[in-house]
Formats: sequence, C-alpha cells, structure tokens
Amino acid sequence: NAGVMQNPRHLVRRRGQEARLRCSPMKGHSHVYWYRQLPEEGLKFMVYLQKENIIDESGMPKERFSAEFPKEGPSILRIQQVVRGDSAAYFCASSPGSGSNEKLFFGSGTQLSVL
Amino acid sequence: AQSVTQLDSQVPVFEEAPVELRCNYSSSVSVYLFWYVQYPNQGLQLLLKYLSGSTLVKGINGFEAEFNKSQTSFHLRKPSVHISDTAEYFCAVRAPNYGGSQGNLIFGKGTKLSVKP
Repeated sequence: NAGVMQNPRHLVRRRGQEARLRCSPMKGHSHVYWYRQLPEEGLKFMVYLQKENIIDESGMPKERFSAEFPKEGPSILRIQQVVRGDSAAYFCASSPGSGSNEKLFFGSGTQLSVL
Repeated sequence: AQSVTQLDSQVPVFEEAPVELRCNYSSSVSVYLFWYVQYPNQGLQLLLKYLSGSTLVKGINGFEAEFNKSQTSFHLRKPSVHISDTAEYFCAVRAPNYGGSQGNLIFGKGTKLSVKP
C-alpha cells in the first residue's frame, strides 16, 4: 500500500509563472490536507478537502492560491503568478476519515523555489 | 486560538544519552497534543498523541511524552537515543471539536535532534 505521493519533489518557477503541486492520498483515504512550511518555521495549515469539496480553507491566502480534489485523480494545489515569498515546502496529508482519532499520513513534500 | 513553542531549535546529544525535547503550548480551550518526526527527505510521521486519559503517553521508537496541564507542556523524552533518531521533531496541538476538521494542526517550529557517536 503506497503512502501519500506528492509530485514533483522539487519545482522551480520564475516569478509570475504558475505552480501546480499534486498529491495522491493513500488508497482508501478521502480526506486531504495541505500544509506549507516556510524556512525555519513549523508547518502551517492551508486547506482541508474531501472528494470534490473544500471543507476548510481558513489557512489559504486570499489570492492566487486554490486547491481541488476531484472525484478522479490527485488533489492539486495551484499557485498563480508565483512570487519569491511562495518559496517553501508544501506538504500534503491524508486520512480515511475526519474523527479526532484518525491518523494523518504525510507525503514527502514538494519544495517550491521561485527565482 | 492556539500556539505552540518549541524552545530549542537544535539539540545535539551523544548516542545512548537521554534526551528531552521541550514543547509548550497556549490555548484558551483544552487541546489534543501531538509529536511528529521528520526524517531527511521524508514526510512527517506521528510519534505519539495525547487525547485524554493518562498524562504519560508512550509512542513509537521508545519515545514518550508527558502532558502537564498546569505548566501547559508536552515534553518529549527518550532514555537512550540512537544515531537513527537524528531527525527534526515537531510538536503540534489541535482544539477538539474543530468542526470535524481534525487536520487543522498548529505546529511548532521544530527541534532538530542530532545524535553523535
């Protein structure tokens, strides 16, 4: 049973370009969470999605960032018109449910570098 | 709102020595507490968690943590570390009953543990 898969592992973009980060949850998991880790900082919650629905996007920047988790395929975190401040490690986690006892499984992250 | 403070950004220690990684939190409500470990080039793995009950929680790889409500702390300990414990450790909190979104964890900035031979 493969773990949470994120790709690409490293992504380099120039300012103004778009970045697309993909996350395939573990088999059987329908809940996906995205976190951002800035240098020397802890992980910050961004968004929580279930299949085809955004449940909580309280941590998402108001502009340029969007996320989706379609019925088929991976979850996508999309950053439009990237700026240098978007450079960070982006982690995805998944769980089978939303209960307080559910364990989160994390991917290895995507390191985004904006030149 | 909740916040987490990990007082030590780096902790060097010799192999087989004991270690304590400190975590303090602030919250106006009761919280769930977690410790995660991140090995190089890998995602986070759950070491242990406190939801309720016994304040001494045992986790994987010989780690344990003690919840101290009066001191608002959740320090992580291991009596004898190995080289393979070299990693970054994150403390996290979550308020219960967060509208069902149990993933909204608040993380500390992490503590890098380096175990030397």
